[in-house]
Order: sequence, then structure tokens, then C-alpha cells
Amino acid sequence: DGGITQSPKYLFRKEGQNVTLSCEQNLNHDAMYWYRQDPGQGLRLIYYSQIVNDFQKGDIAEGYSVSREKKESFPLTVTSAQKNPTAFYLCASARREEPDTQYFGPGTRLTVL
Amino acid sequence: AQKITQTQPGMFVQEKEAVTLDCTYDTSDPSYGLFWYKQPSSGEMIFLIYQGSYDQQNATEGRYSLNFQKARKSANLVISASQLGDSAMYFCAMRGLIQGAQKLVFGQGTRLTINP
Repeated sequence: DGGITQSPKYLFRKEGQNVTLSCEQNLNHDAMYWYRQDPGQGLRLIYYSQIVNDFQKGDIAEGYSVSREKKESFPLTVTSAQKNPTAFYLCASARREEPDTQYFGPGTRLTVL
Repeated sequence: AQKITQTQPGMFVQEKEAVTLDCTYDTSDPSYGLFWYKQPSSGEMIFLIYQGSYDQQNATEGRYSLNFQKARKSANLVISASQLGDSAMYFCAMRGLIQGAQKLVFGQGTRLTINP
């Protein structure tokens, strides 16, 4: 079945450690996105990529980094520079011709202890 | 700048009643799209309905309809005959051209609880 996978579902890390969240899609979508969601809040865009080997900062990119070496993969690294990393992280993808229709993964809940 | 406002943090509705979730938006872009997503407690975002700014008719998808009032810049979601499974967070979002790319801007959400 086609879709987006994010792993793991729950992730715990110690303060000061970098951590990488996985996002994989087999929908052959060009565009991929990372969002952050805090309790009781909407989604905020961290980074996005419209094509392989290219990505752009979103609204809250500070303390995060990404790579897009393969079309199907868009990992997000939460660095120690991110001051409040505990949150729910959602990955999404879309066809470049239809950026409106974003398909979301199940999300990763990151807790920094 | 594009902005989405959802003024209802939470709503409680009896099963089988209709419910309207409010959404207002602000944009200077003449071409835009409006979306509603459902987020159950499991966390995934489920696309419900889409309305384009040039669409003449209100969008409908099964029990979901979007009450689009362009002059008022509102895009309320109407759920008819609510069911217990409709209990979830609901997010209104707008597609806008930001920094040269089409992006989604989300509202803060409304938590809907359906009572038996």
C-alpha cells in the first residue's frame, strides 16, 4: 500500500542530544514537509522540500536541519540548539502539481527529558 | 500575510445533531484554497474537504459541507448528523503563496466532543 511512514511513534531523548526523525513515502511525491504541533495548537511549518537535493526553511526552522538525498525520504534532525524540542512532529508529502493535497504521516511524539 | 482564525477552542454536541465549526481567514492573494482536517487522538491528520477561492458552489463530501462566504472571509465546516466517531480536533487551513511556494497555514483547531 502507498503511504507515508514515520518512525518511531514515540521517541525519548536526553537534553542536549541531537535526534533524527524518519519520514518515508512511496507515493512518488516530489514535495515533502515537516510540521511541528504543540499541545492544543495547530501545525507550524519547519522545513519543506519541493524536489530532491533542495529544501527551504519554513516558519520555525531554527534548531532543526533536514536533508533530501532521495525522493522518498526527508529526515528531520532536531538539534541541541532547539530550545523546546518536546512536541508532536508530522511529515507530509504532495505531488508538485497538486501542492494543496498533502498526505500526512502518523506523526512522531518527541519527548526530551 | 495569510492567517487562519478558529475562535472555538472546544465544542460539545449531542449525537445526531448537526454542528458548525467556525473558521475565518485573511489573505491578500486572489487565488487560495481552504481545507479542513480532522485529527483523532491517534495523531494523524485526515483530509476532509477542500474549497477553492473561485469555486462557485460550496464544497460537500458526504456528511461534511463547507459554508464558504467569500465576502466575510469565512469557511465554516458543517457536519450533519454527528456521530461518536466525529470526536476529534478539527483544523482549518489555507493554501497561500509564501516565500515563492505554496504552503498550508493552519488555525489553532477546535476540539469537538460528541456526547451519546
